[in-house]
Amino acid sequence: GAGVSQSPSNKVTEKGKDVELRCDPISGHTALYWYRQSLGQGLEFLIYFQGNSAPDKSGLPSDRFSAERTGGSVSTLTIQRTQQEDSAVYLCASSQSGLAGTGGEQFFGPGTRLTVL
Amino acid sequence: QQQVKQSPQSLIVQKGGISIINCAYENTAFDYFPWYQQFPGKGPALLIAIRPDVSEKKEGRFTISFNKSAKQFSLHIMDSQPGDSATYFCAASISGNQFYFGTGTSLTVIP
Repeated sequence: GAGVSQSPSNKVTEKGKDVELRCDPISGHTALYWYRQSLGQGLEFLIYFQGNSAPDKSGLPSDRFSAERTGGSVSTLTIQRTQQEDSAVYLCASSQSGLAGTGGEQFFGPGTRLTVL
Repeated sequence: QQQVKQSPQSLIVQKGGISIINCAYENTAFDYFPWYQQFPGKGPALLIAIRPDVSEKKEGRFTISFNKSAKQFSLHIMDSQPGDSATYFCAASISGNQFYFGTGTSLTVIP
């Protein structure tokens, strides 16, 4: 089946504008994750969804960042009033969560490269 | 605060040599330790993973060594090939929920 898809693949925006990034997880995967990867850096955890709920929002860097997931499938990451330091690759991953204690494999999408001018 | 510390930042190895990447963690609640491989322009892909109840896991040329008491784990790539040239990330997770990633190691295998 299809893997995790993300759109757009590239987004260039002006400082102060809002952007929406979309993630389509693998069908049937209940867990969905958003990460940010800055140049030369590791992956920074942003938020995690189990179904439609987000039990952990601790990674969101500011209140300009928000995310939602509807129907237990597609997720949207919204960044309001973008700043230049928001420029990064935003990665989405999904996994078929098992029982507690089993770390399911995460499948990553190709990412959205965001550039804030 | 970096939950998982990874070293080295970059590594150059001759073809056929052994590549070794190390990671350390502090949170003893972590129960899942995956390694990811990332090629330019692509998302990371799971390479191999280990749980703290075993000290070593081997899959082909890739081996994870895990030292629970030292809170360290490492990736060994045997017989390194130019096609292994990529960025490698270690990670740690609690029950497959939030994942904490290392800062990555850029591996170059010279033919």
